[in-house]
Amino acid sequence: DTAVSQTPKYLVTQMGNDKSIKCEQNLGHDTMYWYKQDSKKFLKIMFSYNNKELIINETVPNRFSPKSPDKAHLNLHINSLELGDSAVYFCASSEQGSYNEQFFGPGTRLTVL
Amino acid sequence: EDQVTQSPEALRLQEGESSSLNCSYTVSGLRGLFWYRQDPGKGPEFLFTLYSAGEEKEKERLKATLTKKESFLHITAPKPEDSATYLCATKKNSGGSNYKLTFGKGTLLTVNP
Repeated sequence: DTAVSQTPKYLVTQMGNDKSIKCEQNLGHDTMYWYKQDSKKFLKIMFSYNNKELIINETVPNRFSPKSPDKAHLNLHINSLELGDSAVYFCASSEQGSYNEQFFGPGTRLTVL
Repeated sequence: EDQVTQSPEALRLQEGESSSLNCSYTVSGLRGLFWYRQDPGKGPEFLFTLYSAGEEKEKERLKATLTKKESFLHITAPKPEDSATYLCATKKNSGGSNYKLTFGKGTLLTVNP
């Protein structure tokens, strides 16, 4: 059974387009995250949601808008895509609290042409 | 600002040649140090959590240790299947009962047969 799934796995699009990435977890976790991994493989937190509520919002352009319809889903919508948005985006989830590891999805490789 | 620095950036070993990876950190209010393994094209996979200086954890050929300033991931008699990028992350409180991870850039380990 897939614990954290993301769709699509690959996304190739033109500059200026709007796109969405979907994430679902079947672990019953309360907290979900979006990370960006750039070309240098540096993994950085973008957003965190706890029970559908935004908890962490790092310095991310407001073209990026996360949406959590329920606690099992956290989608990422990106408006007006730019070349610099090209990266691998990972969704993750965890139980709330400090002692719990995060489980990561397989990633979505976004390429903006 | 919190910092997590991993060294070396890349490490090439012969099968059976033991070595260690380093993760040094400057984080206020540390609530855990995590080690993850990431294979190409996949999301990070959880390995260990360490909470206090002096703590050690082992899993197969891997052993993680923690001091007040750094963590080591010791690899004993590695095999080619241990080849991966190893990521270290610190966890701290981000408000209320919520926490966030700060990742290092990783060490790319290659084990040659």
